[in-house]
Amino acid sequence: GAGVSQTPSNKVTEKGKYVELRCDPISGHTALYWYRQSLGQGPEFLIYFQGTGAADDSGLPNDRFFAVRPEGSVSTLKIQRTERGDSAVYLCASSLSRRGEVPFWPSNTGELFFGEGSRLTVL
Amino acid sequence: QQPVQSPQAVILREGEDAVINCSSSKALYSVHWYRQKHGEAPVFLMILLKGGEQKGHDKISASFNEKKQQSSLYLTASQLSYSGTYFCGTEIGVSGSARQLTFGSGTQLTVLP
Repeated sequence: GAGVSQTPSNKVTEKGKYVELRCDPISGHTALYWYRQSLGQGPEFLIYFQGTGAADDSGLPNDRFFAVRPEGSVSTLKIQRTERGDSAVYLCASSLSRRGEVPFWPSNTGELFFGEGSRLTVL
Repeated sequence: QQPVQSPQAVILREGEDAVINCSSSKALYSVHWYRQKHGEAPVFLMILLKGGEQKGHDKISASFNEKKQQSSLYLTASQLSYSGTYFCGTEIGVSGSARQLTFGSGTQLTVLP
């Protein structure tokens, strides 16, 4: 009965370095989301996967950010040439399916199950 | 566009009631409510679809006024465990299709004994 697992829980890096953040969603959840949360703010949408494909990447701030989900389960968020402004908690969430898409089961509330996040600090 | 939550913070005594509001400038398909305790993951509370329905479980309920694009979260007879930051997430839909959630900045609720 594991929930959404994210690693590492904390990552400190230097400006200009490359980082990878991993998300292991709840088994069977086809939809996976990445959000970014800055101190005192709500989660900010980055990208959404349905299966293996990125169905919506409109929230990625620039081309330094990239995410993959090659087998439709685990996802990796990759950040190149990190900047101090990238410092935040990166949250991953999964859900059974996306509202409005087929099939939509009556039992699907649209609930997102969040992981505890990866805190990224860029020095 | 980010929904606006009010108040930004509220402090109350155990047993008191609180209302948290969420408003959007855009037509909404649904409103989601989450609670996040410090250092923890956001936890789902409920979702309201357009149609003005009201939902609730235990002593937490919510309403959605489709015409005003507003939702309110009602916490009745608050308990210490209700402390945390409450976020509304809005979903803009066209003909039932859904897009990503846009979260407000949150309302920090503190319940004192």
